[in-house]
Amino acid sequence: DIQMTQSPSSVSASVGDRVTITCRASQGISSWLAWYQQKPGKAPKLLIYTASNLQSGVPSRFSGSGSGTDFTLTISSLQPEDFATYYCQQANSFPLTFGGGTKVEIK
Amino acid sequence: EVRLVESGGGLVKPGGSLRLSCAASGFTFSNAWMSWVRQAPGKGLEWVGRIKSKTDGGTTDYAAPVKGRFTISRDDSKNTLYLQMNSLKTEDTAVYYCTTDHVVYAVIEYFQHWGQGTLVTVSS
Repeated sequence: DIQMTQSPSSVSASVGDRVTITCRASQGISSWLAWYQQKPGKAPKLLIYTASNLQSGVPSRFSGSGSGTDFTLTISSLQPEDFATYYCQQANSFPLTFGGGTKVEIK
Repeated sequence: EVRLVESGGGLVKPGGSLRLSCAASGFTFSNAWMSWVRQAPGKGLEWVGRIKSKTDGGTTDYAAPVKGRFTISRDDSKNTLYLQMNSLKTEDTAVYYCTTDHVVYAVIEYFQHWGQGTLVTVSS
């Protein structure tokens, strides 16, 4: 199975800050990676797929990059509604696996 | 608007069975690949399994922890997805979400739309 490791596990930031979350795959997954946002008590929401493609309706302050084993999710200017937990997911091979999550908290 | 509504969760004893349903609307269900993803309390996300559309073979794949115990099926006439869970274990306790799959090149799958989830608790 492909292991997905996210860092950091949590980050404290202020509104307007630039936030970067990384995700590392245990083996190469080309660009087959997605990012999800989950707020407490809610279902996850797809933000980015195939490493850098923004899902329809997602604000442009979210961006993704990377290929192979190393990937990044960047929020260019953190907004109050962005405080949530973020997960990466590899789609290269079964079983489909997720990272452990990164909680973005208010500083 | 895509809408997925899960039901059927509840409290069940270890070794018991439960069937979850996911009622879909707002899209052509028969064309969709559908998955189940679960989340144990306070934990991360875990893919459970997927069923392809009948036109793409209707095949299923499962995660190792549930293979042989869980079965995914679909009724396209009712726009409903099912998850039959047998021989339940305490470690199956989780919120179970149904999702539509965003499929790329017929092999790459992301989880595009999600239901609100239904809680399954396995405890004696």
